[in-house]
Amino acid sequence: DQQVKQNSPSLSVQEGRISILNCDYTNSMFDYFLWYKKYPAEGPTFLISISSIKDKNEDGRFTVFLNKSAKHLSLHIVPSQPGDSAVYFCAASDRGSRLTFGEGTQLTVNP
Amino acid sequence: KAGVTQTPRYLIKTRGQQVTLSCSPISGHRSVSWYQQTPGQGLQFLFEYFSETQRNKGNFPGRFSGRQFSNSRSEMNVSTLELGDSALYLCASSMDLEEQFFGPGTRLTVL
Repeated sequence: DQQVKQNSPSLSVQEGRISILNCDYTNSMFDYFLWYKKYPAEGPTFLISISSIKDKNEDGRFTVFLNKSAKHLSLHIVPSQPGDSAVYFCAASDRGSRLTFGEGTQLTVNP
Repeated sequence: KAGVTQTPRYLIKTRGQQVTLSCSPISGHRSVSWYQQTPGQGLQFLFEYFSETQRNKGNFPGRFSGRQFSNSRSEMNVSTLELGDSALYLCASSMDLEEQFFGPGTRLTVL
């Protein structure tokens, strides 16, 4: 039972444009959501998070949107840079410290 | 502040052997979680320790075990290794239930 799904395994965008990564979840008990960025052979790096009491959180070029009714969240990166090329994982927590991850989306930003 | 460290970084074992991996969390973090990453399964939660007690456990067989010491350092052990145990094993630490910070991982190869 895949409780967190990232339906796009890959995304390619041009440098300077917006990257939008999407994530859907099924467990209504999830109340905290996070995005991680991962390079090969390294651990995931925390990017940004959002609590279920909010619908938007911004940090520099990164913005996460949460639509609780649709059980959907998205990560917007504006403007996209070549250094953003990595695998992005969304994760959800039900306050039990266990993180449930999506399958990841490979973002490629072309110069 | 030093990040999460994991040792060893790379390990090669043969089927039937056992292995112990170590994780030192960020100073002050009391929660340590372990994850397995494989190409086909993504990031899967193994278990989480808080103040030397296992607080959460994922759906892995009993061959996978762990413990946490009074200084919050954690070890995980895999006994009777199988080929399918080849993976990147990631450790993450957090203050409690919020953002988890990942170490670089231990790449285990079982031959």
